[in-house]
Amino acid sequence: DAKTTQPPSMDCAEGRAANLPCNHSTISGNEYVYWYRQIHSQGPQYIIHGLKNNETNEMASLIITEDRKSSTLILPHATLRDTAVYYCIVRVAVNNNAGNMLTFGGGTRLMVKP
Amino acid sequence: EPEVTQTPSHQVTQMGQEVILRCVPISNHLYFYWYRQILGQKVEFLVSFYNNEISEKSEIFDDQFSVERPDGSNFTLKIRSTKLEDSAMYFCASLYPGSSTDTQYFGPGTRLTVL
Repeated sequence: DAKTTQPPSMDCAEGRAANLPCNHSTISGNEYVYWYRQIHSQGPQYIIHGLKNNETNEMASLIITEDRKSSTLILPHATLRDTAVYYCIVRVAVNNNAGNMLTFGGGTRLMVKP
Repeated sequence: EPEVTQTPSHQVTQMGQEVILRCVPISNHLYFYWYRQILGQKVEFLVSFYNNEISEKSEIFDDQFSVERPDGSNFTLKIRSTKLEDSAMYFCASLYPGSSTDTQYFGPGTRLTVL
């Protein structure tokens, strides 16, 4: 089972920031937080990941609380093309054969509206 | 930017037939995966493959399934005798390990329809 909890759906106005929360209260010290999204039935698309520090890339920012029990994905200026299901996943780093798989939950269906 | 590619994009088959789904992972990646997503359901892990052998597999990945890396570029999923419930999107993924790049990249998927 997924170790994360996300709201099933959210709306966001086009051009505004979308803040997607995720709870992972049982996260272990060696587990990373990953975010993926899936647009319609396409393959999941990697967005960002982090261990404990906040991270930013060209797609999004990831804010991880100090206790690491929750995180927020921020899309700074949402567009209609950001409408998708967003998945928050915790996973250990690859170590030979251990911890390779991703366990997807239900994710958050983000609807960006004009 | 390198991508994972999958063929065919859509496969229709009769129940009981064998199908082979093909994937070309990103060229320097070392880990390879198959996932599936039944319509309206979650993405589910099937199998991971490293160093020419299966490293993890789920309960879904039973004796009807097999994987192979027949050459240096392709990674295949074979379903020996398809069932109606095998109808799903099948996604291939690959990964190059490293603390800053430890990320699975997914292909666009193959839609398998079993009639």
